[in-house]
Amino acid sequence: DAGITQSPRHKVTETGTPVTLRCHQTENHRYMYWYRQDPGHGLRLIHYSYGVKDTDKGEVSDGYSVSRSKTEDFLLTLESATSSQTSVYFCAIRDLGETQYFGPGTRLLVL
Amino acid sequence: QQQVKQSPQSLIVQKGGISIINCAYENTAFDYFPWYQQFPGKGPALLIAIRPDVSEKKEGRFTISFNKSAKQFSLHIMDSQPGDSATYFCAAKTTDSWGKFQFGAGTQVVVTP
Repeated sequence: DAGITQSPRHKVTETGTPVTLRCHQTENHRYMYWYRQDPGHGLRLIHYSYGVKDTDKGEVSDGYSVSRSKTEDFLLTLESATSSQTSVYFCAIRDLGETQYFGPGTRLLVL
Repeated sequence: QQQVKQSPQSLIVQKGGISIINCAYENTAFDYFPWYQQFPGKGPALLIAIRPDVSEKKEGRFTISFNKSAKQFSLHIMDSQPGDSATYFCAAKTTDSWGKFQFGAGTQVVVTP
């Protein structure tokens, strides 16, 4: 998995609670991305980062925030989880080339 | 709105047959077109990719055909094997400095023995 870990791998939470997902890389790549994967939608970009404290919104960013205080860590926070945020979340990294490497994913269920 | 449209949604092919997956894009500000393969419970992994100045790229049994004027590209899997059963995603990378990727909705391929 190209030196990418995601934690937790599975999580069940209740509506209205905050949730933080962590992506950790050992490759020192500058670009990091958070996607969600839902049937019929492929992968949709939530937020991305070019470097420490340099982040921007993707196409489905409502209800999500991110932080990157270290090159190796990119955190995704669901401020107040809703059932529509039940999904599989993937982190990806990219160096200065075009190849994206994906993590193993986090399966999140919001009850 | 999905800028990269992928078809078919699913595909069943016999072992030894050819699998063909098509993608069409709307935005011309893309400069890199990868295909990803994903097995259940795993993250997507890069399979093969092409740039718009090339019309075809082949790697083993996998070939990308690219038609810039029609804004279409396709993946051909020759001599399909049961181990090729997976979900395939096409994608396109934007030309801006962020290099964001737009993904197709995915095609589930099942290769029967």
